[in-house]
Amino acid sequence: AQTVTQSQPEMSVQEAETVTLSCTYDTSESDYYLFWYKQPPSRQMILVIRQEAYKQQNATENRFSVNFQKAAKSFSLKISDSQLGDAAMYFCAYRARGSGTYKYIFGTGTRLKVLA
Amino acid sequence: DGGITQSPKYLFRKEGQNVTLSCEQNLNHDAMYWYRQDPGQGLRLIYYSQIVNDFQKGDIAEGYSVSREKKESFPLTVTSAQKNPTAFYLCASKVTISYNEQFFGPGTRLTVL
Repeated sequence: AQTVTQSQPEMSVQEAETVTLSCTYDTSESDYYLFWYKQPPSRQMILVIRQEAYKQQNATENRFSVNFQKAAKSFSLKISDSQLGDAAMYFCAYRARGSGTYKYIFGTGTRLKVLA
Repeated sequence: DGGITQSPKYLFRKEGQNVTLSCEQNLNHDAMYWYRQDPGQGLRLIYYSQIVNDFQKGDIAEGYSVSREKKESFPLTVTSAQKNPTAFYLCASKVTISYNEQFFGPGTRLTVL
């Protein structure tokens, strides 16, 4: 069975600094999708970034980028120039690719605190 | 505006009572999901539905039931058989295109008194 592990329950970063959140996963599939979601205090889940496993290039969205290491089954999120609004729970998620595969597997989350 | 609505935002229930949580979407998405969120446990899948009149159990379906009579609606009933129903419940939907992510509703906080 596929699993997603986020080993850092909580992280802190100084405003304007860079922080990296870790995520590892386990799967026997060769093709899949990985996601990072943000859940602010409002509890509304928001997609931060998405990576397709067949793409070697790491995804980037403005200040957010990933380090996707397929062989190591690692998918870390780097937040550059951290802002107070980045404070939230961050969840890593996995979904196998293929017809009929609709199930997402989520990690337990990392709470990010941004210090002014 | 397109989106997912969940109602109510807060729900209180007496022990032994069934309660239904609403989830509606106007995004024309085919797939819909229900998750339970507890502190330190992330999101756990309760049920999901890929098309109307069809749904599958997730990892923690015991004590819950769903229906999918319309594409836009996927209500979740928490029955008295659910031993620990107090939690935050999230509904999500997704288009059938493989790489697309799920879109989430604002959630319902259920408290059993």
